[in-house]
Amino acid sequence: DAKTTQPNSMESNEEEPVHLPCNHSTISGTDYIHWYRQLPSQGPEYVIHGLTSNVNNRMASLAIAEDRKSSTLILHRATLRDAAVYYCILRDVGGSQGNLIFGKGTKLSVKP
Amino acid sequence: GAGVSQTPSNKVTEKGKYVELRCDPISGHTALYWYRQSLGQGPEFLIYFQGTGAADDSGLPNDRFFAVRPEGSVSTLKIQRTERGDSAVYLCASSSQAGPYNEQFFGPGTRLTVL
Repeated sequence: DAKTTQPNSMESNEEEPVHLPCNHSTISGTDYIHWYRQLPSQGPEYVIHGLTSNVNNRMASLAIAEDRKSSTLILHRATLRDAAVYYCILRDVGGSQGNLIFGKGTKLSVKP
Repeated sequence: GAGVSQTPSNKVTEKGKYVELRCDPISGHTALYWYRQSLGQGPEFLIYFQGTGAADDSGLPNDRFFAVRPEGSVSTLKIQRTERGDSAVYLCASSSQAGPYNEQFFGPGTRLTVL
């Protein structure tokens, strides 16, 4: 799986939007972009994924650059519960088993 | 419905002892994954089961680590002759099927401390 690069940490104020960036300059045409997050003392949880087009779900939005070499996870109104480590992960559609390859992620702090 | 559960939540053992960590996946999920997470790091893949068989155990660090899933549901991760370096949070995840399209559902983890 191709490598991703994320900032180590970010801060946000409660009820403001948060844009979490991820660089993946070596992404291949068959890589999906997945985001997971890990709240303190919990296992990771799925957030969103996409291939080329921007995606929205109840948790977040995913904006994918036209060249697919970067993407941004958008939390529209951060809450204290969104404080977590966010992982950007590439998953090859040709891969048969799908084990996730985690980096260090971005630790998001949300201030009240 | 019930999510992935792991027992025990915490395990403290002494160096050299044997431990077993249990994972109950979501009912009906055929794929089961074990990961290990050290402090300040992302989870690291250990082993993956498709049904009863270990489809990929390339992440197991050495032969002291072994995992089974005899009936295709519950899985047990076994660690022999534990070392202090084995201290970590052991995470289990399951998905309806293997493959890159399928969301993985994680349990809360077992925190293993080897004294």
